[in-house]
Amino acid sequence: GQNIDQPTEMTATEGAIVQINCTYQTSGFNGLFWYQQHAGEAPTFLSYNVLDGLEEKGRFSSFLSRSKGYSYLLLKELQMKDSASYLCAVRKGGFKTIFGAGTRLFVKA
Amino acid sequence: GAVVSQHPSRVICKSGTSVKIECRSLDFQATTMFWYRQFPKQSLMLMATSNEGSKATYEQGVEKDKFLINHASLTLSTLTVTSAHPEDSSFYICSAREDQGTEAFFGQGTRLTVV
Repeated sequence: GQNIDQPTEMTATEGAIVQINCTYQTSGFNGLFWYQQHAGEAPTFLSYNVLDGLEEKGRFSSFLSRSKGYSYLLLKELQMKDSASYLCAVRKGGFKTIFGAGTRLFVKA
Repeated sequence: GAVVSQHPSRVICKSGTSVKIECRSLDFQATTMFWYRQFPKQSLMLMATSNEGSKATYEQGVEKDKFLINHASLTLSTLTVTSAHPEDSSFYICSAREDQGTEAFFGQGTRLTVV
């Protein structure tokens, strides 16, 4: 089977750092994505990891360990506008992408 | 980045009627398009994968006769919800990928309400 697990909700304070974890078990692996989705809107691309290690892009960083089936998204210097759902998604063979249930992040002042 | 346009953004239809949703890649040729459905507070569920010029591949549990997908050109795929029922009310999102591309780009989504 296939499974993508991430926490349902997280709360963090403006200006702080938050780490959203994702573990996966899938048949086939061709990369891992993180997307941000605000309520009622389509997801927007944040990051893509296919090799082990950390990818940094501004305030957002994403880490992947293929051997552990584990990834995290790190958000620094949190802003109120970062309140959204964060979706972990695994690309399998044939470019089919399977999404986790998403983590709803609440940023408080 | 590449642009994917999805139309309409919102639609309300009567139970028993059919609704067509279009997904267009505006500045690239989309070899593959994906259709997702998202219920409130849930994640995106892949419904089907469509490749230009061939039949769509449906995920388990998705009725291919109810959700008709056509990918007749490299820039357009359509999803038709036939004989819609209130339980089909959902957010439908397409994504498109160009050949050799890494990322799939999402359309804006279509909020379907069946009354």
